[in-house]
Amino acid sequence: GENVEQHPSTLSVQEGDSAVIKCTYSDSASNYFPWYKQELGKRPQLIIDIRSNVGEKKDQRIAVTLNKTAKHFSLHITETQPEDSAVYFCAASVNNDMRFGAGTRLTVKP
Amino acid sequence: NAGVTQTPKFQVLKTGQSMTLQCAQDMNHEYMSWYRQDPGMGLRLIHYSVGAGITDQGEVPNGYNVSRSTTEDFPLRLLSAAPSQTSVYFCASSYSIGAIRSPLHFGNGTRLTVT
Repeated sequence: GENVEQHPSTLSVQEGDSAVIKCTYSDSASNYFPWYKQELGKRPQLIIDIRSNVGEKKDQRIAVTLNKTAKHFSLHITETQPEDSAVYFCAASVNNDMRFGAGTRLTVKP
Repeated sequence: NAGVTQTPKFQVLKTGQSMTLQCAQDMNHEYMSWYRQDPGMGLRLIHYSVGAGITDQGEVPNGYNVSRSTTEDFPLRLLSAAPSQTSVYFCASSYSIGAIRSPLHFGNGTRLTVT
């Protein structure tokens, strides 16, 4: 099955700085790559996603890039704010099997 | 719409007991799945279903059974609970299957402790 690796496991930035989280996947047939944000004690919620026919997608302060050749994708958050503090998960999906990375705990210091 | 509803929110079991975690969605989603979440391990897929009467195994299926008799419901059964099954369980659904994927909608989770 698909294997997704996510780095770093923890990330601390100053408010206003940018944050980058990187993921790699193993199955070249994976075609859908969502990112989820999970606040403490809450359920994961989608923040952005990208499909395999697109290289980059942006939504306000959040962007995702996909490199199919290298089998990696990244989440970029600009102008970070304290409310961005949470655990972020990447995922990769092939057919009906969606696998998640281990998560990145992002802390934004005011 | 209520979205994805999971019950119970909390459960404590003794080793060897059995129970069913309930999951229901009112969005007419064909795809439903169960994940478990353990510290430092992200979300791991247990079982999934692409429609009524169809289920398949995910990454960590051992010790769990599922069935899908209706589009709305996807219960997860623990046959003989073990301490290793202590975890937070999330049910999730999605409106599309196969090659065209769409975001998962998660329930609020069930925190299970097995003593």
